[in-house]
Parts: sequence; C-alpha cells; structure tokens
Amino acid sequence: EDQVTQSPEALRLQEGESSSLNCSYTVSGLRGLFWYRQDPGKGPEFLFTLYSAGEEKEKERLKATLTKKESFLHITAPKPEDSATYLCAVQARAGKSTFGDGTTLTVKP
Amino acid sequence: ETGVTQTPRHLVMGMTNKKSLKCEQHLGHNAMYWYKQSAKKPLELMFVYNFKEQTENNSVPSRFSPECPNSSHLFLHLHTLQPEDSALYLCASSQEGTGGREQFFGPGTRLTVL
Repeated sequence: EDQVTQSPEALRLQEGESSSLNCSYTVSGLRGLFWYRQDPGKGPEFLFTLYSAGEEKEKERLKATLTKKESFLHITAPKPEDSATYLCAVQARAGKSTFGDGTTLTVKP
Repeated sequence: ETGVTQTPRHLVMGMTNKKSLKCEQHLGHNAMYWYKQSAKKPLELMFVYNFKEQTENNSVPSRFSPECPNSSHLFLHLHTLQPEDSALYLCASSQEGTGGREQFFGPGTRLTVL
C-alpha cells in the first residue's frame, strides 16, 4: 500500500528563518511527487511536480527536492504570507494519488 | 470562469434532505475527482472519473452518488447523510497521460449535516 508521511506536523518560524519540510514516501512505481499549498477554508494550490530522484524545482522562496525515499520543501527567508498547510502527494504507476497529512507552517513577523 | 469552480460554497442540510454538489472545470482536462477533507485528517479520495468513466470508488457509502455527464462537469448527489459526513468536499481535475499529473482543485464546498 502506498504511504506518505509528512513531518513535522506543525512548524513555527520567525520571518527570515529558513527551514525544511519533509515528505517520506513508499509507492509502487513513482509516476510523480507533488507539493501543494492549502490556505484555511480553500482548496489546495499546486506548487511543484517532481518525477525522478535528483530533480529540483524552485519558485520564489520555495525549493523542492526529491530522492528515492523522500522529498524536501525548503523555505528560504520565509515571510508571513508563506503561512499555510503544505501537502505532499505521490502518484503511483497505477495512477492513484495518495496524500500526506500536511505540515502547517506559521511564520511570525 | 477559470480553473475549477464548485457550487455551492457552503451547504447546511438535515439528515433527511437531498442535495447536490456541482463542479465544473475549465481546463480541458480528462479526469475529475471528489475528495473529502475532515479536520485533522488527510484528503480522502472518494471517486475518480477518467474520460467520463468512473475508475475508482474508494468504498464510499451509497448515500454519496457521483455523476459525470461530460468531461467538464461532475456532481455529487447527497441523501440521508450523517453528522459525521460534515466536511470540506473538494473537486479536482487533471490531464491524465503516461506521466504523473498534478491535480487542480476547486475552492471546496463546506458541508454541515445537522
């Protein structure tokens, strides 16, 4: 059975304090690993897709990396507007997607 | 309209009511999904439609009935729900092919069952 585990469950940072979120996964044939951002009461917003180990994607203060067992979402010099829940999901070869529980990030000014 | 839209945004219903949730995607995608998101729980996949054909039903109770009349529209018909069905219901779409495909989500319908 495919599994996605995200850590930490919650992360509180001061503005400008860089950190990383972890997504560990087991999947029967990885078609893609996805990162989403979700604000309270809204639907998840797509951020990145990673397809193979060693791949990296960047967008503003966010950088996603992928190994064969885990993915990291690095946040450099975060701002309060980066506060949200970040979701990781994997899509298996058979096509089904499995989501993690998410990491809730709070950035204090 | 752009992206994925859902109506209504909020719904309060009694246990004996019948209501429907509507989702429309304006992205030209060929797959659509219904998810349930409860507090402190991960997203739960309910139904998947690929090229209008239902390809997955994750042991969802029969009081939830999906309908996909075409590749742009998806409905979730609700009847005799239970209070534990109160949650955020999310619709998503993707363009399925040989590679991994990201999903694009609507804003959700916040459902409260009294």
